[in-house]
Amino acid sequence: GENVEQHPSTLSVQEGDSAVIKCTYSDSASNYFPWYKQELGKRPQLIIDIRSNVGEKKDQRIAVTLNKTAKHFSLHITETQPEDSAVYFCAASRGGETSYDKVIFGPGTSLSVIP
Amino acid sequence: DAGVIQSPRHEVTEMGQEVTLRCKPISGHNSLFWYRQTMMRGLELLIYFNNNVPIDDSGMPEDRFSAKMPNASFSTLKIQPSEPRDSAVYFCASSFSKISTYEQYFGPGTRLTVT
Repeated sequence: GENVEQHPSTLSVQEGDSAVIKCTYSDSASNYFPWYKQELGKRPQLIIDIRSNVGEKKDQRIAVTLNKTAKHFSLHITETQPEDSAVYFCAASRGGETSYDKVIFGPGTSLSVIP
Repeated sequence: DAGVIQSPRHEVTEMGQEVTLRCKPISGHNSLFWYRQTMMRGLELLIYFNNNVPIDDSGMPEDRFSAKMPNASFSTLKIQPSEPRDSAVYFCASSFSKISTYEQYFGPGTRLTVT
């Protein structure tokens, strides 16, 4: 089955700096890659996702890149702010256009933005 | 929209007791997921349903765990008998499977403590 690895497990950055979180996956059939943010004591929430037919996607200060050949994808957060402090989960799924498959989550990265 | 509703929010029980967790997905969503989150094991998918039918229960840890979805608006996760190692936050999530997006909406979670 699918296995998703994520690095680093913890990350501290100064406010205003960039943060990068990297993930690898094992199932070459995976084609959907979401990222979830979980603030302390709260539920995970989707912040951005990318499908395998796209190499990069941006949404304001966050961007995701995907290298399907190497089976890795990354989350980039620019101009970090204290409210970006949270645990970030990458995930992978085979989700097809007419069917649904489960989403496998990585172990998470705890990001701390130091004011 | 009230979002995904879970009850109870907190549950403290003694080892050996039966525990039932409840979830009401977002109206119109056709997929429902049960996750368990712990520091050691991260976010684990236990089981998921599509159109009220269990699709994959390979994540259910053992026979003490069971889940049902009698209709599109209600699901339960039951642990009988409970053990201290079952202590965790249990999340329910729902989604509407359609082309290009599989965003999962998580409920607030149930924090289970088994003493």
